[in-house]
Amino acid sequence: AQSVTQLGSHVSVSEGALVLLRCNYSSSVPPYLFWYVQYPNQGLQLLLKYTSAATLVKGINGFEAEFKKSETSFHLTKPSAHMSDAAEYFCAVTLLTGNQFYFGTGTSLTVIP
Amino acid sequence: EAQVTQNPRYLITVTGKKLTVTCSQNMNHEYMSWYRQDPGLGLRQIYYSMNVEVTDKGDVPEGYKVSRKEKRNFPLILESPSPNQTSLYFCASSLSRQGSETQYFGPGTRLLVL
Repeated sequence: AQSVTQLGSHVSVSEGALVLLRCNYSSSVPPYLFWYVQYPNQGLQLLLKYTSAATLVKGINGFEAEFKKSETSFHLTKPSAHMSDAAEYFCAVTLLTGNQFYFGTGTSLTVIP
Repeated sequence: EAQVTQNPRYLITVTGKKLTVTCSQNMNHEYMSWYRQDPGLGLRQIYYSMNVEVTDKGDVPEGYKVSRKEKRNFPLILESPSPNQTSLYFCASSLSRQGSETQYFGPGTRLLVL
């Protein structure tokens, strides 16, 4: 079975500091991995996705994530946090051979001025 | 504008009163899906549809029904709602089921069952 674990349900960073949101996956076959962002009272929108083309994936708003098979991780980073980054972030996994998507429990990011 | 729409956005109902939440997409997407979002649990897939007349259960299908009679619409039906179905519901669609495809999410429907 596939699953996603997001360590840290709440993360606080100072404006301008590094953002690191952790995601580990469990999958018996190579996965596709996604990071979505949810702003208050809105739906989810895609930040970036890993589809086996390149292990370092760049997304919107300066975010990037690196697929590390040996660590079964897909952590999300941004070098310098901005106030507008405050939101809930979800990691998700699916498989080439499957039809379902599995989401993590989410990480709420707070940016302190 | 390419989008996924859901109606209603907010709904308060009582136990046992049948309700339908509509979902429509204008992107000619084949794959559509329903999720529920609960605090501490993230998003969980309820049902999905690979194409017209093709639907299947996700992780939490109990108490829900769906239908896919047209490509653009994928309504979620609660025939006898119960308080444990109080949640935030999202509809999503993607061009196909291929894992690399991006899912586009609707704005959500917040449901309260009394």
